Amino acid sequence: AQSVAQPEDQVNVAEGNPLTVKCTYSVSGNPYLFWYVQYPNRGLQFLLKYITGDNLVKGSYGFEAEFNKSQTSFHLKKPSALVSDSALYFCAVRDRGNRDDKIIFGKGTRLHILP
Amino acid sequence: DGGITQSPKYLFRKEGQNVTLSCEQNLNHDAMYWYRQDPGQGLRLIYYSQIVNDFQKGDIAEGYSVSREKKESFPLTVTSAQKNPTAFYLCASSKTGGANTGELFFGEGSRLTVL
Repeated sequence: AQSVAQPEDQVNVAEGNPLTVKCTYSVSGNPYLFWYVQYPNRGLQFLLKYITGDNLVKGSYGFEAEFNKSQTSFHLKKPSALVSDSALYFCAVRDRGNRDDKIIFGKGTRLHILP
Repeated sequence: DGGITQSPKYLFRKEGQNVTLSCEQNLNHDAMYWYRQDPGQGLRLIYYSQIVNDFQKGDIAEGYSVSREKKESFPLTVTSAQKNPTAFYLCASSKTGGANTGELFFGEGSRLTVL
């Protein structure tokens, strides 16, 4: 069975500093990996995905994520945080070995950017 | 504009009543999903459908039912058998197959409160 872990409930970063939001995954085969962002009382918005190829993936709003197969991780990063980046971030995984399109999300990490 | 629409946005019901949440998309996506969001638990998959007239249980399907009679529509019924139905419900859709997988488009959510 596939699963996703986001070990931090909350991350606090000062504006202008680099940020990292952690994600680890478990699948029986190879993964498709995704990051989404959610603002209060809204649906989720897609940020970026890893399908294959380059381990460093660039996405929306200056975010990027690095796929590390040996550590089964897909951490979200941004070189310089903005106050507007404050939101709830979700990592998600799909097992490429499965024929269905079942997509599982982590519990989310709340990111606070301090002015 | 193309998108995914959930209704109603807020819903109050008495305990023991069935309620149906609507989800409609005009993105011509094959796959549709229902997730439940609770504080501190992230998104949990209720049901998903990859094609019309077919759907699969997710991780927390008990007490819920769905139908997929049309490509555009994937309504969710919260039955009286669901022991703790108060939650924020999110519907999503996506293309299927290969690199398209997992880029979900979410609705704005329906917040159900059972009194």
